[in-house]
Amino acid sequence: LAKTTQPISMDSYEGQEVNITCSHNNIATNDYITWYQQFPSQGPRFIIQGYKTKVTNEVASLFIPADRKSSTLSLPRVSLSDTAVYYCLVGADRSGANNLFFGTGTRLTVIP
Amino acid sequence: NAGVTQTPKFQVLKTGQSMTLQCAQDMNHNSMYWYRQDPGMGLRLIYYSASEGTTDKGEVPNGYNVSRLNKREFSLRLESAAPSQTSVYFCASSVRDRGGEKLFFGSGTQLSVL
Repeated sequence: LAKTTQPISMDSYEGQEVNITCSHNNIATNDYITWYQQFPSQGPRFIIQGYKTKVTNEVASLFIPADRKSSTLSLPRVSLSDTAVYYCLVGADRSGANNLFFGTGTRLTVIP
Repeated sequence: NAGVTQTPKFQVLKTGQSMTLQCAQDMNHNSMYWYRQDPGMGLRLIYYSASEGTTDKGEVPNGYNVSRLNKREFSLRLESAAPSQTSVYFCASSVRDRGGEKLFFGSGTQLSVL
């Protein structure tokens, strides 16, 4: 089962681009890479998911190199409301699976 | 569209008491999950249900039981609460949509066991 490694915390100033990298050396062929965002006293919220190369949506971009052993979540021009914990998960290749593990995540603090 | 609804939002129990956490989703998802989150930690999977009528243990199932009552509802029961079960409990459902599985979470139940 693929586990992930992320920085414990990051600080950024408002308006900057933030990149959070996740290592997943034993990712399986069928695994997807998914990022979730969690605010205090709330459940995690889906941000973005990808399998390879680059994925972009209205919230973030996800960069995945060819070997898929790492991935980078990119948040453009962060604001104070982006202060949250960000989780990287690998798996999600089948329904109802028990192979989605949340690590401790990366606590992002956006500074005015 | 309510999504995933959990009740209650807060609960205080005494050691040895029992209670059931309720969860319902209105997104017609097949799969549902129960996680717990301890302070400063990530979420750990307690039980999951791939489809109506099936349940399986996750990472930390001891001390809990679950029931998948129907496609919408997935309940978590503590038969004899212990202080170690003080935590925030999250229910989730999931769907596979143009890619891998995506989880949708409720707002959580904060449980304290004294």
